[in-house]
Amino acid sequence: VQLLESGGALVQPGESLRLSCAVSGFTFSSYGMSWVRQAPGKGLEWVSAISGGGDRTFYADSMKGRVTISRDNSENTLYLQMSSLRAEDTALYYCAKHLGGGRTFDFWGQGTLVTVSS
Amino acid sequence: QSALTQPASVSGSPGQSITISCTGTNSDVGGYNYVSWYQQHPGKAPKLIIYDVSNRPSGLSNRFSASKSGNTASLTISGLQAEDEADYYCASYASTSGSVFGTGTEVTVL
Repeated sequence: VQLLESGGALVQPGESLRLSCAVSGFTFSSYGMSWVRQAPGKGLEWVSAISGGGDRTFYADSMKGRVTISRDNSENTLYLQMSSLRAEDTALYYCAKHLGGGRTFDFWGQGTLVTVSS
Repeated sequence: QSALTQPASVSGSPGQSITISCTGTNSDVGGYNYVSWYQQHPGKAPKLIIYDVSNRPSGLSNRFSASKSGNTASLTISGLQAEDEADYYCASYASTSGSVFGTGTEVTVL
């Protein structure tokens, strides 16, 4: 199982960014996926989740309305579209595979860094 | 949704056992058997060590065990080793927000 995030960058406050997570080694469409972030020196924070088929999405209150999670099962890729970025969104963003039907994250990528600063 | 509460740090000598608590509410830890624990070494991605309250992934050392009582989950590391020095996070399914992580605990091996 491999998960490889990309798309992280230095952006200014108010700008948008799309993160990607390319996966391999498992049947992507059979598993839910999540984005989890970690601000520098801080703890883990769940951001968003999507079902295997992509028909159900879930968001943390901290980013609701500013992020959209999506997936392309034909390309084995997970996405996170972020808008109206703030300094407090600065973090390492991980994608994580769900274990079965519960909200357990059994495989993680190495993360992609998003820095929001003027 | 507030983060689950964990002690900031726990320490122990090699060979000893330590326990990390994770306290939530009836809407997360106490309401579901979807508590998981993650180990994170500096500069590395988190690693799943416990799922569904007390289950270990295949191949994981049996020095790691966990349980839950009411709104509090606990992770015990037995026979503490230098390689266990890391940050540990609990997580739970939460009815109000989907998922919630704990505040994290830094484990130091003396």
